[in-house]
Amino acid sequence: NAGVMQNPRHLVRRRGQEARLRCSPMKGHSHVYWYRQLPEEGLKFMVYLQKENIIDESGMPKERFSAEFPKEGPSILRIQQVVRGDSAAYFCASSPQQGAAGANVLTFGAGSRLTVL
Amino acid sequence: AQSVTQLGSHVSVSEGALVLLRCNYSSSVPPYLFWYVQYPNQGLQLLLKYTTGATLVKGINGFEAEFKKSETSFHLTKPSAHMSDAAEYFCAVVIQGAQKLVFGQGTRLTINP
Repeated sequence: NAGVMQNPRHLVRRRGQEARLRCSPMKGHSHVYWYRQLPEEGLKFMVYLQKENIIDESGMPKERFSAEFPKEGPSILRIQQVVRGDSAAYFCASSPQQGAAGANVLTFGAGSRLTVL
Repeated sequence: AQSVTQLGSHVSVSEGALVLLRCNYSSSVPPYLFWYVQYPNQGLQLLLKYTTGATLVKGINGFEAEFKKSETSFHLTKPSAHMSDAAEYFCAVVIQGAQKLVFGQGTRLTINP
């Protein structure tokens, strides 16, 4: 079991470019969460998805950010027209059915570190 | 709304000394509680969790935490610090029935030789 796989591990973009971060959940996990960790800060919830559904996007910025978890393939966090303030570590986590409810443990990937020049 | 507060963004102890990392939560109902550890440039690894039952929970690497409902606390302890314990530690909660994990701001633990 390869765990939660995130790629790329490091991504450098110039202001105005697009960033795409990918997350493959653990085998058998159908729930995916994205968190953002700004320098010297804790993890902030962004979005919670199940296959083909966005369940909770209350932590997503209103503009430029989007996420999907298609029927086939990894979950994608997309940031359009990146700005310097988007520089952060983006962590994906997955869990089995029921998501975090019922105290299911979230398994985290190693993160994708985005640097915006 | 549920929230988690970790007292002390940086904690420094000597090798062999007691480690105490504080976590308080605010919730009208008992939540599920977690401690995660993050080593440099890595993801988060679960140390331990509390759901129901025994309030003293033992985790990996010699860590344990005690759920105290009256104090709304879930402090993390380890009797004797090891150099390899140097990392960032996050307390997190899930309110029963909710679907997401809410994290505290983290505590960076430094171990002095």
